[in-house]
Amino acid sequence: ETGVTQTPRHLVMGMTNKKSLKCEQHLGHNAMYWYKQSAKKPLELMFVYNFKEQTENNSVPSRFSPECPNSSHLFLHLHTLQPEDSALYLCASSPGLVDEQYFGPGTRLTVT
Amino acid sequence: AQSVTQPDIHITVSEGASLELRCNYSYGATPYLFWYVQSPGQGLQLLLKYFSGDTLVQGIKGFEAEFKRSQSSFNLRKPSVHWSDAAEYFCAVVTYGGSQGNLIFGKGTKLSVKP
Repeated sequence: ETGVTQTPRHLVMGMTNKKSLKCEQHLGHNAMYWYKQSAKKPLELMFVYNFKEQTENNSVPSRFSPECPNSSHLFLHLHTLQPEDSALYLCASSPGLVDEQYFGPGTRLTVT
Repeated sequence: AQSVTQPDIHITVSEGASLELRCNYSYGATPYLFWYVQSPGQGLQLLLKYFSGDTLVQGIKGFEAEFKRSQSSFNLRKPSVHWSDAAEYFCAVVTYGGSQGNLIFGKGTKLSVKP
């Protein structure tokens, strides 16, 4: 595998479910990011990790919980989501915090 | 506040025609600027970037962009569009707070290509 991978690619979950999104980067980067992309809205930065430490939480509701066990892996734990949380969730990585970011293919999440 | 504006939501061009996608930014210092492309159902792919130096930058897939400080613009161009260029294009700027940068995206321009 090369680049940034995300699993699953598609996820349908009920509002009471708990699920996790996984991101892995094979680029040797130090920073990782979660973004939310909704229809007709700009990309929204959710979380930033640098060397496994969270450096940004962009006022994201607590029903989204990130985890970064090492510089190559990033998770987004989901629980008691709302229908408006349905979106494409994109993971990205970069060498450092001011460098270009490389994106994964995204997870299309539908909350029913 | 820092921002990125892409004034065109949707553009349609004929295959083989030239293309220019507009991007304006609002940022006090010299910005780092990027163009990304997103095909349906996919993540974003970096087309090109401007950090410093030559204001005309070349990217992948035959794209180029020109940084114009006086106009706060970073427009994306391609001399001859191919059907496979149909996608959504995002301009972005990195802004700085201490040692941290935040990537701010425009709302995107959707490109359709007519045969």
